Amino acid sequence: GAVVSQHPSWVICKSGTSVKIECRSLDFQATTMFWYRQFPKQSLMLMATSNEGSKATYEQGVEKDKFLINHASLTLSTLTVTSAHPEDSSFYICSARIPSGSNEQFFGPGTRLTVL
Amino acid sequence: AQTVTQSQPEMSVQEAETVTLSCTYDTSESDYYLFWYKQPPSRQMILVIRQEAYKQQNATENRFSVNFQKAAKSFSLKISDSQLGDAAMYFCAYRAGTYKYIFGTGTRLKVLA
Repeated sequence: GAVVSQHPSWVICKSGTSVKIECRSLDFQATTMFWYRQFPKQSLMLMATSNEGSKATYEQGVEKDKFLINHASLTLSTLTVTSAHPEDSSFYICSARIPSGSNEQFFGPGTRLTVL
Repeated sequence: AQTVTQSQPEMSVQEAETVTLSCTYDTSESDYYLFWYKQPPSRQMILVIRQEAYKQQNATENRFSVNFQKAAKSFSLKISDSQLGDAAMYFCAYRAGTYKYIFGTGTRLKVLA
């Protein structure tokens, strides 16, 4: 199956700093990628839909100025958590959609963010 | 709005036995997909099985099968011959035309040796 990678797999940062998380589709081109957030022992909550070459679409309640998404190429989307605070600590997962056939999505391995 | 409900926060099954995980959903769409994903401690989401709503036949993948009841909006997962490696969180998910996934709250499956 298709492979999606995320980098870094985990990151610890100080409160007030910004953190960038990368999501890459390794063997296919993804016009659409999705960013999810998962708190401990909870489900995945969609944060935003990232479309190559256009602005991301954010879900209700997600601050677009805090969670900056850039989808500059067909294989890379980045999520930047700006001015991170301890409440932003979470597990962030991306997925990438194959734009044909079943439009199946493949998930990255996730990034654990800890803000001190 | 579409919703996905998993009413079993936790289930246990004896090794080699069969277990069924429940999922119900709500939608006004006629064309959609339903999924079961497994999330082991590594947190990597692994697709277990997929069902297209227009297909009446229940999907099967080796030891995993679903009971899809479209009219009742029910989509349960049956795991046969449970193995220790099946222990994980299982999420039911719905996807329609926008390609956005809506996940249930998950069921933690414990497999007892």
